[in-house]
Amino acid sequence: GAVVSQHPSRVICKSGTSVKIECRSLDFQATTMFWYRQFPKQSLMLMATSNEGSKATYEQGVEKDKFLINHASLTLSTLTVTSAHPEDSSFYICSASHSGRANGELFFGEGSRLTVL
Amino acid sequence: AQSVTQLGSHVSVSEGALVLLRCNYSSSVPPYLFWYVQYPNQGLQLLLKYTSAATLVKGINGFEAEFKKSETSFHLTKPSAHMSDAAEYFCAVGAGTSYGKLTFGQGTILTVHP
Repeated sequence: GAVVSQHPSRVICKSGTSVKIECRSLDFQATTMFWYRQFPKQSLMLMATSNEGSKATYEQGVEKDKFLINHASLTLSTLTVTSAHPEDSSFYICSASHSGRANGELFFGEGSRLTVL
Repeated sequence: AQSVTQLGSHVSVSEGALVLLRCNYSSSVPPYLFWYVQYPNQGLQLLLKYTSAATLVKGINGFEAEFKKSETSFHLTKPSAHMSDAAEYFCAVGAGTSYGKLTFGQGTILTVHP
């Protein structure tokens, strides 16, 4: 149990296009999901906190108009990278907070590798 | 503010040898500390966590870690490495009483030689 799935796992796009990444909790409800970004040989950096039914909370330095987050249901959050540029190429990982577990235990998706040409 | 430093981006051990992955943290509040493992093309899997109970924490796959407040450390150990332990390991710190927003270390890639 407690599986989080991301889709797509890999995506290549042209500069200027928008890309949507989905994060789904398959067998539990997640009122809160987190989006992380990981550059090569670097740590995971929290981008934003996604709360079901409300606006996402972005970390300092993360452009909310660039990285659109929607958490429309208790099992799905989406991250849309708008007008992507090569510097947006990165590994994006989501995690979902299990509403039924103590302290909201986190479960991570497999990650989505974005390459912008 | 919180931060995590993992000493050594790569660690190589022989099968059967001791595994020691180092993690030091900085936190302005009593921390929650975590070790996650990531196998190729997979998500992060929780190995173990410290949440202010016992300072020696046992996790899955024979791993354990000891919280040392005086040294601000939370090093991960395993007495005998197995080939299947080869992966990338992340130390993370959270604050408060929920998992919430975690701050991750840079990761350590563990290689196990036969």
